[in-house]
Amino acid sequence: SQQGEEDPQALSIQEGENATMNCSYKTSINNLQWYRQNSGRGLVHLILIRSNEREKHSGRLRVTLDTSKKSSSLLITASRAADTASYFCATDTDNAGNMLTFGGGTRLMVKP
Amino acid sequence: EPEVTQTPSHQVTQMGQEVILRCVPISNHLYFYWYRQILGQKVEFLVSFYNNEISEKSEIFDDQFSVERPDGSNFTLKIRSTKLEDSAMYFCASSEWLVGLNTGELFFGEGSRLTVL
Repeated sequence: SQQGEEDPQALSIQEGENATMNCSYKTSINNLQWYRQNSGRGLVHLILIRSNEREKHSGRLRVTLDTSKKSSSLLITASRAADTASYFCATDTDNAGNMLTFGGGTRLMVKP
Repeated sequence: EPEVTQTPSHQVTQMGQEVILRCVPISNHLYFYWYRQILGQKVEFLVSFYNNEISEKSEIFDDQFSVERPDGSNFTLKIRSTKLEDSAMYFCASSEWLVGLNTGELFFGEGSRLTVL
């Protein structure tokens, strides 16, 4: 598979529940970022975690990074209907210059 | 809050026609990018631009594509002779810092949807 693959591809939860999305990648990275995309809209940066970091928090978001397993997870706690969107991980690598490689995304639906 | 703006929001064109997509990056940003997203697929890197020249491009960015920063504010993507498979959402992005250094955060525009008939 390609650099940056999320699972699950789709996730449906009730408001108030936690949502966990996972991302796996193939090559060594400098940083891993998570972006959010509302349907038909642009991507919005959520959080960046560096290769030497293991966990990072921002509000209701918690990101973990396991470089030994080449994987990351994004946890959204106490989800809201407004969190409904697609979530993408994106990686940049030493060899890829100035580009981000995006995964296929997880479509999250939070039901009120 | 500063934002990246893109025009047009939607363009329909005939196969073989030239298309120019326009972007106004955030004013103090130095790095500019184009990405595209074919419906239902991944966001794919096309090109990055710094100091008035292309710094990186993908295999997608062939001779049919070109970018230009014609003045101090606009950043354009030109597709010389559009094909059906060029139909996609094209996103412009800018960043203050080089991806991989410091924050590496990209600020994306809302996209220009290109439909090639």
